[in-house]
Amino acid sequence: DGGITQSPKYLFRKEGQNVTLSCEQNLNHDAMYWYRQDPGQGLRLIYYSQIVNDFQKGDIAEGYSVSREKKESFPLTVTSAQKNPTAFYLCASSTQSGGYTFGSGTRLTVV
Amino acid sequence: SQQGEEDPQALSIQEGENATMNCSYKTSINNLQWYRQNSGRGLVHLILIRSNEREKHSGRLRVTLDTSKKSSSLLITASRAADTASYFCATALGNRDDKIIFGKGTRLHILP
Repeated sequence: DGGITQSPKYLFRKEGQNVTLSCEQNLNHDAMYWYRQDPGQGLRLIYYSQIVNDFQKGDIAEGYSVSREKKESFPLTVTSAQKNPTAFYLCASSTQSGGYTFGSGTRLTVV
Repeated sequence: SQQGEEDPQALSIQEGENATMNCSYKTSINNLQWYRQNSGRGLVHLILIRSNEREKHSGRLRVTLDTSKKSSSLLITASRAADTASYFCATALGNRDDKIIFGKGTRLHILP
C-alpha cells in the first residue's frame, strides 16, 4: 500500500532543543510539503520541495529547516529559534496535477 | 496568508439532512480542492475541481465552483455520523498546481 508516514506521533521538546520530525512517502510523488496547524485553525505552509535537493520557504519558515536528499524523505527540524513550536505538524506529498496525500501528523509539545 | 475562507465556521445538523459549506477566495485560481480532517488526524483529499469546471460529484459529495464570484460550495447529501469532521477548502493559485493554500475550515457536527 502506498502512503505517507510521519513519525513520531507525539514528540516532546525541552526549551532550547532542536527536534526532527520524519516524513517518508512511497508514492513516487515529486513534491512534498510541511504544514503547521494550531488549534481551531487552518494549515500554514512551512516549507515545500518540488524536487530532490531543492526546497522553498513557505509562509512561516522562520525557526524551521528542512532537507530533501532523497525523493522519499522530507524531514523537518524545529530549531530552538522557533519560539512557539507547540502545534500539530502535517506532512503531505503530491503529483503535479493531483490532490495532496497527507500523513497522520506529529503533535509537538514544548515541556 | 489565507486565501480561502470557509463559511460557516461551524455547522450542526441532524443525521440524514444535507450539509452545505461555502468557500470564498480572493485571487484567480488554477484549481480548488476540498479536504476532510477528523479530529487529531491528517487531512483526506475529497475532490479537486479545476477553474474551467463548474460542478463535480463524488458519491454523496457535490462541489460547485463559480469563478465569477470566486466561490465554491461543498454539499454532503444524506449526512451520516461518520461525516462529523472539519472540512477545508484549498486553492492552487494562478498557473501553479503545486502549492495550495488552506482556509480555516468548517467544523461539521452530525447529530444522531
